[in-house]
Amino acid sequence: DTAVSQTPKYLVTQMGNDKSIKCEQNLGHDTMYWYKQDSKKFLKIMFSYNNKELIINETVPNRFSPKSPDKAHLNLHINSLELGDSAVYFCASSQSWDPHHEQYFGPGTRLTVT
Amino acid sequence: RKEVEQDPGPFNVPEGATVAFNCTYSNSASQSFFWYRQDCRKEPKLLMSVYSSGNEDGRFTAQLNRASQYISLLIRDSKLSDSATYLCVASPNSGAGSYQLTFGKGTKLSVIP
Repeated sequence: DTAVSQTPKYLVTQMGNDKSIKCEQNLGHDTMYWYKQDSKKFLKIMFSYNNKELIINETVPNRFSPKSPDKAHLNLHINSLELGDSAVYFCASSQSWDPHHEQYFGPGTRLTVT
Repeated sequence: RKEVEQDPGPFNVPEGATVAFNCTYSNSASQSFFWYRQDCRKEPKLLMSVYSSGNEDGRFTAQLNRASQYISLLIRDSKLSDSATYLCVASPNSGAGSYQLTFGKGTKLSVIP
């Protein structure tokens, strides 16, 4: 059973479009995250939710809007896609927001904006 | 200045070799440290946490030097399967950011037969 799953795995779209990425975890964790890994392999946190509430919102354009319908899901919607949004987006979850708890990552969504 | 800095490598080592990676962190208030491993085109996975007293897990040894603000990872008897990118991670403990992990860019290791 996949612990943290993301869909789609690959997403190719044109500039200006709106797209969503979905994430689900079946670990019973309280905290979920979205990370962006750019072409230089730099992994940077974007958002974190704890029990469906936003707790981290890094300096991310407001074209990016996360939504957590329940503890097990954290979706990411992106409006007006730009070339610079091309990256791999990883969802992750952890037992709680305590940094000592391991973060489990999903397989990633490779977004290409043309 | 980057918060977590690592030598990107690549480190090309023969099987059986011992290899060491270092990483420095800029936030002296950081309390939690980790090494994650990321295989090519895969997600990061926790390799080991780094404790103040140092810790060992099989062929892997992690050390923390708070005075110099660096973390190290030693891999003994390298295997082909150790080929991956190793990500150094620190967690600053300052208010709302205390649960935020900061990743280095990673050090790429290639173990050669």
